[in-house]
Amino acid sequence: GENVEQHPSTLSVQEGDSAVIKCTYSDSASNYFPWYKQELGKGPQLIIDIRSNVGEKKDQRIAVTLNKTAKHFSLHITETQPEDSAVYFCAASGNTGGFKTIFGAGTRLFVKA
Amino acid sequence: NAGVTQTPKFQVLKTGQSMTLQCAQDMNHNSMYWYRQDPGMGLRLIYYSASEGTTDKGEVPNGYNVSRLNKREFSLRLESAAPSQTSVYFCASSEAGSNQPQHFGDGTRLSIL
Repeated sequence: GENVEQHPSTLSVQEGDSAVIKCTYSDSASNYFPWYKQELGKGPQLIIDIRSNVGEKKDQRIAVTLNKTAKHFSLHITETQPEDSAVYFCAASGNTGGFKTIFGAGTRLFVKA
Repeated sequence: NAGVTQTPKFQVLKTGQSMTLQCAQDMNHNSMYWYRQDPGMGLRLIYYSASEGTTDKGEVPNGYNVSRLNKREFSLRLESAAPSQTSVYFCASSEAGSNQPQHFGDGTRLSIL
C-alpha cells in the first residue's frame, strides 16, 4: 500500500542553525505534499505545502523542495529559533485512493538556545 | 474563531464500554476526517466524510463507527472499547477534495483500561 517514510525521527540543532527533514513516498500518483507542525498538547497545524507542478516553495524561514522523479520531498528551516521546537509531519495525497492522506511518522525537532 | 472543536479532551474507559467522540467545525468545510495518533506511527485515517451525507472507511476502521450529523458535525463512536484503542484521536476538516490542507482540532486523549 501507499507509504511515506520520514527521516530523521529526532533532530537536535543549535539556535540559528538550519534543520532539514526528508520524506519519501511510494505512490507515484501523489500530487499534494503538506507539512504540519504539532506542538505539545495541540493538533497538527499546516506550515507549508507544495503541489506536484512546483519544484520548490518558500515562506520566510521555511522552504520545501520536491523531486517527483525520485519521489522525495524535504522541509528546510533556516535560522532556527527555540519556538521551532515541535514535531513535524510530512504527508502525501493524490487524486486516486479517495481522500486518503498518508502521513510520515514524524520528526521531533529540538532547537537548543 | 474556533476552527475545529473536539469534545471531550480526555476520557478514561473500561474495556467493553461505549463512547462517542464529538467534532464540530465552523469553517463551512465539506470534508471531515477522524485520525488516531500513536507513538512512532504518525496519523492514521479511521474514517472520513467527503461531504454531508457520505462516509467512507480509512486505513484503520475496525472497531469504530461514524456519523456525519450535518455539515458542521462528525462524530466517532466506539461501540465496545478495547485497550488497543487507547490513543489520541484527532478530527480534521478541509475544503472539498483530497488535495486540500486539513485543519485539526486539539485532540481527545482516550485511555481504555
